[in-house]
Amino acid sequence: RKEVEQDPGPFNVPEGATVAFNCTYSNSASQSFFWYRQDCRKEPKLLMSVYSSGNEDGRFTAQLNRASQYISLLIRDSKLSDSATYLCVVNRGYSTLTFGKGTMLLVSP
Amino acid sequence: DAGVIQSPRHEVTEMGQEVTLRCKPISGHDYLFWYRQTMMRGLELLIYFNNNVPIDDSGMPEDRFSAKMPNASFSTLKIQPSEPRDSAVYFCASSTVTRGNNQPQHFGDGTRLSIL
Repeated sequence: RKEVEQDPGPFNVPEGATVAFNCTYSNSASQSFFWYRQDCRKEPKLLMSVYSSGNEDGRFTAQLNRASQYISLLIRDSKLSDSATYLCVVNRGYSTLTFGKGTMLLVSP
Repeated sequence: DAGVIQSPRHEVTEMGQEVTLRCKPISGHDYLFWYRQTMMRGLELLIYFNNNVPIDDSGMPEDRFSAKMPNASFSTLKIQPSEPRDSAVYFCASSTVTRGNNQPQHFGDGTRLSIL
């Protein structure tokens, strides 16, 4: 089983739609979880951390299910500018991170 | 505040040549990471440093790859000799620990390396 698995997509959605991505991880000892966003030919940038109780940042909601070892990201009211690849990230050791290969989102007018 | 700075942004060279990638982490960050990204394998950690000391280099593909961090504000990743399969985007990232919690990593713009 891969350390971090994501559906590569692409997810094609119209503007205004709600879209959700899931990610599973294999290391049950992982303590830190993040979603990063990567635009085409750009560097990954932190979108949000994921907390055990779930957290929201504007149109974005992240949730963690430790029992099932999966993380989700929900995007409401999708914008054209949300088109990007979303990377699920889990800590591997004390300081190191394991990145999923990403899920591509395409938002169309 | 300045982010992580990498140079060069693009590098095209012939196989067999030495390639040197450079990185300046965010000031005050004590962790520095080198990653390689390809379509096939995604983002892979090559090596990371803590307080200028290499901690884990298990991701370095082979002896042709080496990395150094002579001081807190500078690191290099060297490939000698380079091969076409080394073509990828190489990212440098830095982070720190605050009140015992790992802070997220911040990435540089990356170096797009093409080995012909």
